[in-house]
Amino acid sequence: SQELEQSPQSLIVQEGKNLTINCTSSKTLYGLYWYKQKYGEGLIFLMMLQKGGEEKSHEKITAKLDEKKQQSSLHITASQPSHAGIYLCGALHDRGSTLGRLYFGRGTQLTVWP
Amino acid sequence: DGGITQSPKYLFRKEGQNVTLSCEQNLNHDAMYWYRQDPGQGLRLIYYSQIVNDFQKGDIAEGYSVSREKKESFPLTVTSAQKNPTAFYLCASRATGTGPYEQYFGPGTRLTVT
Repeated sequence: SQELEQSPQSLIVQEGKNLTINCTSSKTLYGLYWYKQKYGEGLIFLMMLQKGGEEKSHEKITAKLDEKKQQSSLHITASQPSHAGIYLCGALHDRGSTLGRLYFGRGTQLTVWP
Repeated sequence: DGGITQSPKYLFRKEGQNVTLSCEQNLNHDAMYWYRQDPGQGLRLIYYSQIVNDFQKGDIAEGYSVSREKKESFPLTVTSAQKNPTAFYLCASRATGTGPYEQYFGPGTRLTVT
């Protein structure tokens, strides 16, 4: 069973539109990481959330963590073609672990058309 | 520049042959990881290592082997026992500890076995 569900699986938006990607965990979250991947390339770290209610922003991307709902959302404002790619969330389920093992969702494929 | 290198980017092998994927990092990280990514799937953990000369199986270790003789290097061997070896392989590293450290990813190696 998939412990980390991402929705939607794919998203096609017009340039300039806002969008939201969700990541829901079936297990307790001790940290939630967001990464972006271009097809055939490695993952690029976007941001990491640890505390319930925490919100972080970088340029036009904002991520929030709802600890009670065990859910995180990634919001992109005024999307641009450069935002296109696969967005993956990775969850830290092991409290106090020094390894920092992450469990990943299946990813959301974002297409932004001009 | 610090980072993770994986080589080669594309690898082709005949069925029945073992193949070794290279992963090198100069970030001075103790922890290193190998993931497999298939289309529409998230990242699945193959092996991980927290320290030199020590490594543990992840969720899909069957048909794979690793070594960690040096801190900088964590090569992955895909053996002939792996039933479906064609995939995109990603190596990552991270500083150990309970801090909010992210995993850094290499550019990946796409392995095709025919």
